[in-house]
Amino acid sequence: GAVVSQHPSWVICKSGTSVKIECRSLDFQATTMFWYRQFPKQSLMLMATSNEGSKATYEQGVEKDKFLINHASLTLSTLTVTSAHPEDSSFYICSARDQGDTEAFFGQGTRLTVV
Amino acid sequence: GIQVEQSPPDLILQEGANSTLRCNFSDSVNNLQWFHQNPWGQLINLFYIPSGTKQNGRLSATTVATERYSLLYISSSQTTDSGVYFCAVVRSGNTPLVFGKGTRLSVIA
Repeated sequence: GAVVSQHPSWVICKSGTSVKIECRSLDFQATTMFWYRQFPKQSLMLMATSNEGSKATYEQGVEKDKFLINHASLTLSTLTVTSAHPEDSSFYICSARDQGDTEAFFGQGTRLTVV
Repeated sequence: GIQVEQSPPDLILQEGANSTLRCNFSDSVNNLQWFHQNPWGQLINLFYIPSGTKQNGRLSATTVATERYSLLYISSSQTTDSGVYFCAVVRSGNTPLVFGKGTRLSVIA
């Protein structure tokens, strides 16, 4: 199957700082990538849809100025958590599909802890 | 939006036992996937199965699209099968996967 790589796997940052998470499709091109967030013992909740070369589409309740998404190429999308607070601590995971395909693959996820 | 319900929410099995996990969805879909989330959080693709039956080793899955449900069968369970199993669907086009709440499986030796 297709490979999606996410970096970093975990990060600890101080309140008020920003953290950037990268999501790469290694062996295919993805015009669309998806960002999810997962709190402990809960399911994955969609945060936003990242579109190559255009603005991301955010789900209701997700602050677009806080969670900046950039999809500058067909293989890379980034999620920047700005001015992070402890309540932003969570597991963030990205997903992508090969163009013309419908099976989705996920990155390894990023565990963010804000102290 | 589309609703995805998984049952049971929790399941404890003795090693070697068989189990069936169920996923019901509220509308027609053009994609359904089963995942296993390991203790490190990574989602492992088990099956891409919008319809029909597939098998992979001790695991098999069946989706009856007309009746809007899918089943995941685990046979001869092992402790390494422990984790959370998610069902997720795509309603249409290039829209994102919508996840159920998962089934938390614990296999004990």
